[in-house]
Amino acid sequence: AQSVTQPDIHITVSEGASLELRCNYSYGATPYLFWYVQSPGQGLQLLLKYFSGDTLVQGIKGFEAEFKRSQSSFNLRKPSVHWSDAAEYFCAVGAQLGGTSYGKLTFGQGTILTVHP
Amino acid sequence: EAGVAQSPRYKIIEKRQSVAFWCNPISGHATLYWYQQILGQGPKLLIQFQNNGVVDDSQLPKDRFSAERLKGVDSTLKIQPAKLEDSAVYLCASSLDYWGLETQYFGPGTRLLVL
Repeated sequence: AQSVTQPDIHITVSEGASLELRCNYSYGATPYLFWYVQSPGQGLQLLLKYFSGDTLVQGIKGFEAEFKRSQSSFNLRKPSVHWSDAAEYFCAVGAQLGGTSYGKLTFGQGTILTVHP
Repeated sequence: EAGVAQSPRYKIIEKRQSVAFWCNPISGHATLYWYQQILGQGPKLLIQFQNNGVVDDSQLPKDRFSAERLKGVDSTLKIQPAKLEDSAVYLCASSLDYWGLETQYFGPGTRLLVL
């Protein structure tokens, strides 16, 4: 079964600083990888996803993530953080349900991002 | 385009009572999901529908939880009877694809408190 680990529960950065959120996954085959963001009182929104091809993927709001198979990682990065980026970020791995053509997502426990002015 | 709608937004009940949540997915979306998000954790998939058929309910506590998707559109999730540990946010999501690994669009969630 697939699993996702986000080692950092809470990260604090200053506005304008760079950001990297860590994500490690466990899955026996080629994974489908996602980053979602959840603002207070709102549902989750997809930032970016990796299915195949170029291992550096670009997303919305200036975010990018790099898939590293050798490290089983899919870290999220942003070169300059804005105060509006304060939210909770979830990494997820998608995998096929056994014996079917359907897939399901397994989410990590999330990383809360605080941005200081 | 309207997003995923959920109601109610908040619900407070006592243990052993029943509660139901409603979800209206984005029009035309084939796949519908119900997730449970306990405070401090990531969403956990409870049940996944493709049209009105269930493709995965392996993590649904079937002794107390039930869900249906009417005519492949709206869905309801019911808890009967509720336990204290059911306190969580219940998220509904939908996706356009049939196989369930494309972008999921989430509703705002229903926050349930069981006393």
